Amino acid sequence: GESVGLHLPTLSVQEGDNSIINCAYSNSASDYFIWYKQESGKGPQFIIDIRSNMDKRQGQRVTVLLNKTVKHLSLQIAATQPGDSAVYFCAETRSSGGSYIPTFGRGTSLIVHP
Amino acid sequence: DAGVIQSPRHEVTEMGQEVTLRCKPISGHNSLFWYRQTMMRGLELLIYFNNNVPIDDSGMPEDRFSAKMPNASFSTLKIQPSEPRDSAVYFCASSPMGRGGEKLFFGSGTQLSVL
Repeated sequence: GESVGLHLPTLSVQEGDNSIINCAYSNSASDYFIWYKQESGKGPQFIIDIRSNMDKRQGQRVTVLLNKTVKHLSLQIAATQPGDSAVYFCAETRSSGGSYIPTFGRGTSLIVHP
Repeated sequence: DAGVIQSPRHEVTEMGQEVTLRCKPISGHNSLFWYRQTMMRGLELLIYFNNNVPIDDSGMPEDRFSAKMPNASFSTLKIQPSEPRDSAVYFCASSPMGRGGEKLFFGSGTQLSVL
């Protein structure tokens, strides 16, 4: 889930396990959601996105689930690898004057143990 | 394409000095964002440009911060005068969508330390 305060929530898994990272978003009017991965010393990188008219979308080893009823998003990573260790952010997109602006959650740190 | 290019990679300055951060978006992208990242506040949107025009600057902390985009291939974020609380990683991101948002492509960031 998302954090308040100084420390990010952390998920520790063993290599080969499946990982589930959760995100609660705030704006019921948001209609587009993206998961980003941020490795140490780098900028966030796009992983997968989903629009509000869908409840599930699959990519390579990743699946995003959207529950609009409870404003909840999750990212599932199959067969987690050490290279998946990073901070993961969800972003919800809201409309502002005809433009769409993403707002990021606080992030979850994923640690994969070999 | 080289991706979004930010400079400098690291900046250390003293309180009161002017700081200028630079960004070159991906060619053809028409939306550009400046974000600030800290442990306390996460990723905060500072300002957003669409077709070189500032659309939303409500995230700019105060008058000490200003941003410009004189053309489609260059943007600057200036802090004058800088303060220790401005210390953070500043990211520039660009997007190919005219409406902004959608998928963002981030640069590697500028680590700013104000002493």
